[in-house]
Amino acid sequence: DVKVTQSSRYLVKRTGEKVFLECVQDMDHENMFWYRQDPGLGLRLIYFSYDVKMKEKGDIPEGYSVSREKKERFSLILESASTNQTSMYLCASSSPIGGSGEKLFFGSGTQLSVL
Amino acid sequence: GEDVEQSLFLSVREGDSSVINCTYTDSSSTYLYWYKQEPGAGLQLLTYIFSNMDMKQDQRLTVLLNKKDKHLSLRIADTQTGDSAIYFCAEKAGGYQKVTFGTGTKLQVIP
Repeated sequence: DVKVTQSSRYLVKRTGEKVFLECVQDMDHENMFWYRQDPGLGLRLIYFSYDVKMKEKGDIPEGYSVSREKKERFSLILESASTNQTSMYLCASSSPIGGSGEKLFFGSGTQLSVL
Repeated sequence: GEDVEQSLFLSVREGDSSVINCTYTDSSSTYLYWYKQEPGAGLQLLTYIFSNMDMKQDQRLTVLLNKKDKHLSLRIADTQTGDSAIYFCAEKAGGYQKVTFGTGTKLQVIP
């Protein structure tokens, strides 16, 4: 089975701290994604990466950056955490299905609270 | 830009059918998906449909696509308590890796 592992299930940080969220996948997938999930807003894409050292902005990249130095690892960085970044963060990797479709495999999520 | 809308909540009795609806705006969507999220877990792909199809059936799940109205639905027959979860509709345009998710519908199954 594909496994996407997020390093922390729960994280509590203070405003202004630099925060690293780590994600590792074990299926040699090229594409990896970071989403945040908020009640009533669903999942919103922050960044994605289609190869090592390559990244693309999603719909809400402001306040975030990412790093992909190795194929299996995709890190989300909050340079200076703010209270409005309190959220559930979901990492995913994907494999192709049906031609140009993508099947996403998700980690269990990191619930980040910024105080 | 892409937008995917769903109602937030649905309650059904065990054994009844559930119908979860979704509307999307991107006419270039080529794949449409249904994902399920159980409490405390990430999302798992339930089923998907290619945009040139009208219907897809997979055991208790039936997906209907009305491309003209940009409307997608997921029907779960004989709904069980284990079907209680949040269901997300998602779409992808061909040639792009980006998958856009809806707001999610929380399905509550009453025993």
